[in-house]
Amino acid sequence: DADVTQTPRNRITKTGKRIMLECSQTKGHDRMYWYRQDPGLGLRLIYYSFDVKDINKGEISDGYSVSRQAQAKFSLSLESAIPNQTALYFCATSDAVRGIDTQYFGPGTRLTVL
Amino acid sequence: EDQVTQSPEALRLQEGESSSLNCSYTVSGLRGLFWYRQDPGKGPEFLFTLYSAGEEKEKERLKATLTKKESFLHITAPKPEDSATYLCALGNAGGTSYGKLTFGQGTILTVHP
Repeated sequence: DADVTQTPRNRITKTGKRIMLECSQTKGHDRMYWYRQDPGLGLRLIYYSFDVKDINKGEISDGYSVSRQAQAKFSLSLESAIPNQTALYFCATSDAVRGIDTQYFGPGTRLTVL
Repeated sequence: EDQVTQSPEALRLQEGESSSLNCSYTVSGLRGLFWYRQDPGKGPEFLFTLYSAGEEKEKERLKATLTKKESFLHITAPKPEDSATYLCALGNAGGTSYGKLTFGQGTILTVHP
């Protein structure tokens, strides 16, 4: 089984709809991250969480919100989706205890906003 | 501000034709230089972490090296299955960047049989 899972894997929605993307991990890591990837723009950090009570904005947080329900679960919400939020979304985790920043990524969610 | 620049943007090789990908960086305090491989539509897959200048790591046909200003990913005798986008990322030792990675744009490698 995959260590980092994301649901759904693909989603098509309409402008104005509320969307939630979910991420779960079995790696036992404290830190979790949400990124979006667009052609030519690379991976950009949306939000990150260093533990359940610590949530921080990344470089492109506008239009997004997150919830860290447990150590293993980190959800990303688009309150009112717009077409320029069409992208590949990735969740990642890293291990704070060992002090190593290597991030491990999920398989991604392809989101299309019409 | 941390910066990561990868070159070339795209590289086409014939099977068996060795080459190198470059990752140039500027950072106030290096906390790791990371290489990832990404196949189309999939999540990045971790390859290597380098922590100090002079360090080298190898895995199959790949070897990563690090200097104070850049890192190279050398690909020896590549095969078509090595075709992917290779991402370089920078970890910063402190300040507001602590615990986060700054990613380069990636190099798209295509290996023709």
